[in-house]
Amino acid sequence: EVHLVESGGGLVQPGGSLRLSCAASGFTFSGYEMIWVRQAPGKGLEWLSYISSTDNTIYYADSVKGRFTISRDNAENSLFLQMNSLRSDDTGVYYCARGYEASYWGQGTLVIVSS
Amino acid sequence: DIQMTQSPSSLSASVGDRVTITCRASQGIGNYLAWFQQKPGKAPKSLIYGASSLQSGVPSKFSGSGSGTDFTLTIRSLQPEDIGTYYCQQYNYYPLTFGGGTKVEIK
Repeated sequence: EVHLVESGGGLVQPGGSLRLSCAASGFTFSGYEMIWVRQAPGKGLEWLSYISSTDNTIYYADSVKGRFTISRDNAENSLFLQMNSLRSDDTGVYYCARGYEASYWGQGTLVIVSS
Repeated sequence: DIQMTQSPSSLSASVGDRVTITCRASQGIGNYLAWFQQKPGKAPKSLIYGASSLQSGVPSKFSGSGSGTDFTLTIRSLQPEDIGTYYCQQYNYYPLTFGGGTKVEIK
């Protein structure tokens, strides 16, 4: 069974940093692209970043380009999102998902950016 | 960027009704269209990919159709467990983009 578990969220001050992790199991992680998606409180879904299976192709949404960095460790079946220069509008639930078509999602991790 | 426009933004229907949600892309995306269901307080769940292919384990009461710019999600015989918000997403071009969502309620 495919399982994705995000962690690393929490309360951070504006300008601060967080590193989110997504632990994958139940499938051959190294064979799949992965994405990060977020959802601001009471709002819809926003795609943030994509990484290919061998991390040689990476894309970002304009809203996070230059501030967020996606990476993966195929040996550890893990996906990461390094978030720097956080702003209040980065507040929300962050999800990892398998594939650009997001066939499986984690349960999400809450990030709150507030002073 | 490709804009995805869903309609309606919300709907209220009776148990047993057939419900249809539409999604329009601002330019052609082939059949690179997915549908998701999000129940209150939960993560989204994939229902449909490739515009019309049912994700494994999803009941056949859900169906998708369309290609190019116009797509439809149909729920046959609405049940209380189907309440939530439904989103479309195009994955033909980056940035990937989602529709604004359709909130489905029971009348």
